[in-house]
Amino acid sequence: QQPVQSPQAVILREGEDAVINCSSSKALYSVHWYRQKHGEAPVFLMILLKGGEQKGHDKISASFNEKKQQSSLYLTASQLSYSGTYFCGTELTGTASKLTFGTGTRLQVTL
Amino acid sequence: KAGVTQTPRYLIKTRGQQVTLSCSPISGHRSVSWYQQTPGQGLQFLFEYFSETQRNKGNFPGRFSGRQFSNSRSEMNVSTLELGDSALYLCASSLSSTNEKLFFGSGTQLSVL
Repeated sequence: QQPVQSPQAVILREGEDAVINCSSSKALYSVHWYRQKHGEAPVFLMILLKGGEQKGHDKISASFNEKKQQSSLYLTASQLSYSGTYFCGTELTGTASKLTFGTGTRLQVTL
Repeated sequence: KAGVTQTPRYLIKTRGQQVTLSCSPISGHRSVSWYQQTPGQGLQFLFEYFSETQRNKGNFPGRFSGRQFSNSRSEMNVSTLELGDSALYLCASSLSSTNEKLFFGSGTQLSVL
């Protein structure tokens, strides 16, 4: 079951904040976030496991709401280097080692 | 430490042909996953191998198959190619499962004419 990401695309000015959401209709065991720049391979950002623990990566953080089966990625004070497509990957409870990705959120940061 | 290596980088085939793609994981990584990436569809999970065994499989037809060798290198095969198989095929490796940080290769861009 492919997770649903929103928004599909967002344009920001440098320094602005953004939130990308990822939701599933099934019980999640973990949520993974990756960023892919144009023409490059996806790069790992963070993993969140059941428990609602919020993780951070510089000015990028994320949360995991178990009750809502939803994760949100927070980009604070965005930089030009944040531009790219963000993918969330979900691992359902009981389906170990099968990571299903959403269709991605395209983020563009401008001056 | 060398990253994940995929060969070839680009491939052009015609309908009906078959193709084999190769992936060499990071040294010490035993899990290799394959994904198909097309515009608008994101990353579609194909299958995952661990210690030469297919551990998980996505919803793709039987024309898509793979294998993993004892040195953890993996190959993916697509038989009887269709136009819709045109995509970027990405391989990712991790130490032991996909519930860990995945390291992606640069992919093989397959075009079916």
